[in-house]
Amino acid sequence: EIVLTQAPGTLSLSPGERATLSCRASQSAKSTYLNWYQQKPGQAPRLLIYAASTRATGIPDRFSGSESGTDFTLTISRLEPEDFAVYYCQHYGGSPRGYTFGQGTKLEIK
Amino acid sequence: QITLKESGPTLVKPTQTLTLTCTFSGFSLDTGGVGVAWIRQPPGQALEWLALYRLTDDRRYNPSLSGRLSITKDTSKNQVVLTMTNMGPVDTATYYCTRWATNWNYADYFDCWGRGTLVTVSS
Repeated sequence: EIVLTQAPGTLSLSPGERATLSCRASQSAKSTYLNWYQQKPGQAPRLLIYAASTRATGIPDRFSGSESGTDFTLTISRLEPEDFAVYYCQHYGGSPRGYTFGQGTKLEIK
Repeated sequence: QITLKESGPTLVKPTQTLTLTCTFSGFSLDTGGVGVAWIRQPPGQALEWLALYRLTDDRRYNPSLSGRLSITKDTSKNQVVLTMTNMGPVDTATYYCTRWATNWNYADYFDCWGRGTLVTVSS
């Protein structure tokens, strides 16, 4: 089973700043199957990025994803007030392992 | 417009079986490249994938829970049903129904979500 470790657990930044969120896989992880979601309090998650770097429909271009080996990164170039939320990475490890999520990074207003 | 909505009991007793229904619209499970999945989230915790139903009766389960889970499609309605046996307090969570999709490049993802339903396990 591939374990996804997200860092930091909490990130405190101000609007207008740049946010860098990390997701590290415990073993080789195919970028095609690495996705990012945003979840605001009391809401369902929303797909942000799929296949490591492709923005989902309607996602602003301040959100971007990248990969380097087993490390995946979500970057928000200039934080808007509505971006403060919890972010999860997720990976498909094939059958029968299925789908796993990271433990999440909470992005909070400083 | 794609919508998904979860329905089922909000409270179940320990050892009981939970049955949740996902009613969806805006897509068809008879089309390749789409499916319906269940994902849950205990209060204050991370997301956990439970099960996935895809075209032609292709069912996948979280290996750590597979003995307790069953996912089926109601062929007469746009519904997918999740059954989880032997419920316990640790199964208290918000249960989400989601659309699973894949694209030409074999990426796959959960792109549309229901609002979720909180299920509490307590005697």
